[in-house]
Amino acid sequence: TQLLEQSPQFLSIQEGENLTVYCNSSSVFSSLQWYRQEPGEGPVLLVTVVTGGEVKKLKRLTFQFGDARKDSSLHITAAQPGDTGLYLCAGESTSGTYKYIFGTGTRLKVLA
Amino acid sequence: GAGVSQTPSNKVTEKGKYVELRCDPISGHTALYWYRQSLGQGPEFLIYFQGTGAADDSGLPNDRFFAVRPEGSVSTLKIQRTERGDSAVYLCASSTWMNTEAFFGQGTRLTVV
Repeated sequence: TQLLEQSPQFLSIQEGENLTVYCNSSSVFSSLQWYRQEPGEGPVLLVTVVTGGEVKKLKRLTFQFGDARKDSSLHITAAQPGDTGLYLCAGESTSGTYKYIFGTGTRLKVLA
Repeated sequence: GAGVSQTPSNKVTEKGKYVELRCDPISGHTALYWYRQSLGQGPEFLIYFQGTGAADDSGLPNDRFFAVRPEGSVSTLKIQRTERGDSAVYLCASSTWMNTEAFFGQGTRLTVV
């Protein structure tokens, strides 16, 4: 069974601080996605990383896929209250059915 | 439609009752997924359809859960003899065949009392 563990589970920081969220597994994934989910809404895709070692930037967010495609990180620079939400990583199963396995989630709160 | 639509948005049912949850995917999307999300957790995979057929139903917890997609568009998740542990938000997502980006609906919050 492919599992994804995220850390930390909860994070409360002040506006302007930097943070990193980690997504780890003992399994290899074909690709990995990061989502952000707000209360009462479905997850919204932020980025997909496919190649080991790949780094993608989305404004103040930097995503990295581990060289072995088993782990990933999300770094946010100068966090803003609008970044508050549940961040989820999801790995594409290697079983070939395009199934995504979601991580346990990191709940971020950015205080003004 | 413009996005994935799920109905109802909220459903309260008594233990032991049968419920149906509906998902209208984005028009033209051939892949459809059902996930279940408990409070404070990440979504848990239930079943994946490619067209009319279930390509992977390995996430269905037991035989009380069943899903159909008879015409390759709308899907219905059916839960028999509901239990309090079935209470969760049930999320549906759809994607195109070759594009792995899945678009999620807002979910149906099921409460079994």
